[in-house]
Parts: sequence; C-alpha cells; structure tokens
Amino acid sequence: AQSVAQPEDQVNVAEGNPLTVKCTYSVSGNPYLFWYVQYPNRGLQFLLKYITGDNLVKGSYGFEAEFNKSQTSFHLKKPSALVSDSALYFCAVRVWKAAGNKLTFGGGTRVLVKP
Amino acid sequence: EPEVTQTPSHQVTQMGQEVILRCVPISNHLYFYWYRQILGQKVEFLVSFYNNEISEKSEIFDDQFSVERPDGSNFTLKIRSTKLEDSAMYFCASRVAGGRDEQFFGPGTRLTVL
Repeated sequence: AQSVAQPEDQVNVAEGNPLTVKCTYSVSGNPYLFWYVQYPNRGLQFLLKYITGDNLVKGSYGFEAEFNKSQTSFHLKKPSALVSDSALYFCAVRVWKAAGNKLTFGGGTRVLVKP
Repeated sequence: EPEVTQTPSHQVTQMGQEVILRCVPISNHLYFYWYRQILGQKVEFLVSFYNNEISEKSEIFDDQFSVERPDGSNFTLKIRSTKLEDSAMYFCASRVAGGRDEQFFGPGTRLTVL
C-alpha cells in the first residue's frame, strides 16, 4: 500500500519569506513523487515531479522540491513567497510500473502568504 | 495549452437517481482517471482506464459506478443510484502513455446528492 502524509494543515508565511510545505511518503517500490496546487474553484495544477536522477527538482512558478530517500520526504520549497502563492498544495505518489499508475494524495496543506 | 475539460461544473440530483459526469481528456493522452474529493478530505482514486478497459479500481468503485469512453473524445463516469455519501468533487485526469508523465486534471464536477 502507498500513503502520503502532509503534517501541516496550514502554513502561514509573510510575502518575500521562504516557503516550505512538508511531505513524507510510504511505498513499496520506487516512488514517483508529484506536487499539485489547487486554487479556489479550480482543478489540480501540476507543479513538479521527481522521477529519477537529481534529488532537487525545479518546477513551475519558482517552486522546487527535494527528494530525500532516507527520510522518505519530498518537501516543496520556494525561496521567496508571493501573495499569489496562497492556495492548497497536494503531494502525491505513485509506484513505478504499478498497474494503472494511480496517484495517492496527501491531505493537502493550505498556504497563506500575507503581504 | 491543451486542457482537460469537465461538464457539468455542478450537478444536483436526488438520492437514487442516475448521474453521468463527462470529461474530455487531452487529445493525445491514452490513460484516463477519475478521482473524487469529499469536502474537507483527501483526493481519492476511483478508477483508471486504458485501451478501453479498466486497469485498476479502488474499493470505492463498486457496482454502482461505471466508466465508458463512448467515442474518441469523451470519458464518462456513471453513478447508477446515487447516495448522499456520493456528494463530492469529481476530478477527471489524463496522461500520455509514458510511464514518467504527470496526470493532467480537469476543473472538477461538484456533485450534490439531496
């Protein structure tokens, strides 16, 4: 079975400060890891993914994430947050070569960036 | 940029009625998915579909649910006899064939069962 944990329901940060959204995962096998963002009344938008290779991956809108196999983590980061980054962020995992390739999501973390 | 589209955006139905949620995946994608998100809860996998058949389904996806790709563009989710607990946001997603590719999600259909 695969699972994802996002330990913080909400993260508050001042505009211009670094933003970190935490994610840990549990899978049997090699993980593919994803971050999605959801704005109000919108679908899930893809931000970035880790498949293999460099543990630091860069994605859309200045976001990056670091894969840490020993800690089974994939934290999302942004060096300088913007008010427009306020949204709901989801971490997701799927297993390499699993039939159907379903995504398992964490519970989501709401990010509030204050001016 | 190509997008996954879903209709309707909001569906209200009476308990016991049948509903069909429609999705148009991105045109060159080959894998299709339905997920749902009950208010305040996680996004949950329902079913994946490839080559005109279900490739995986969750425990949620019981006999009341079915999926179909009736033509070359639409992908539908049918709930035969809706229950109150089926009230949720339903997301369609699609993916290109490559194993490393991300899934692209539609904006969702909010289903309200009264």
